[in-house]
Amino acid sequence: AQSVAQPEDQVNVAEGNPLTVKCTYSVSGNPYLFWYVQYPNRGLQFLLKYITGDNLVKGSYGFEAEFNKSQTSFHLKKPSALVSDSALYFCVNQAGTALIFGKGTTLSVSS
Amino acid sequence: DVKVTQSSRYLVKRTGEKVFLECVQDMDHENMFWYRQDPGLGLRLIYFSYDVKMKEKGDIPEGYSVSREKKERFSLILESASTNQTSMYLCASSFRWRPNSPLHFGNGTRLTVT
Repeated sequence: AQSVAQPEDQVNVAEGNPLTVKCTYSVSGNPYLFWYVQYPNRGLQFLLKYITGDNLVKGSYGFEAEFNKSQTSFHLKKPSALVSDSALYFCVNQAGTALIFGKGTTLSVSS
Repeated sequence: DVKVTQSSRYLVKRTGEKVFLECVQDMDHENMFWYRQDPGLGLRLIYFSYDVKMKEKGDIPEGYSVSREKKERFSLILESASTNQTSMYLCASSFRWRPNSPLHFGNGTRLTVT
């Protein structure tokens, strides 16, 4: 079965430290991987996507993600976390109208 | 900038009531989606539509119906609300003919059924 897994329900980091939010996938065919962020009481917002090409993808708010085919991973990263990055993050495989969502990871950045 | 507007942020309804959740988008998107979001369960697709008057069941359509009479509007209907339909409901839209374009989400409607 196709799936997207976010192995951590919560990630805690201190402001200024690097952050990583993990995502692994199991899909048939080519993966089309997206990261979305959800701030409290808001809808999801698009951060970045990998379709093809460079394995390192840069997105909004200083976030980036690295596609690793051999490890079937697409981890979200940021070199220096901000308190305002605290939110719920979703990894999604999106092929047209067929979307597979991960369960989400809550990122908490402390000052 | 794409705007997806959900008519209500918070809604409280009684068991057995018929409930309408409205969603409007202003970017001429063909695809529109309704999800519900529950703690620990993530987002689950209720219905989606890829064109006017077209609808497809998602993963959890039971107890819901939808209406798409105009391209910009996608309504979710709870025929007879029950307490297990208390949830956050999210509407989203996207281009049909650009399959890798991002989804655009509304801010959600938090529905409580008492």
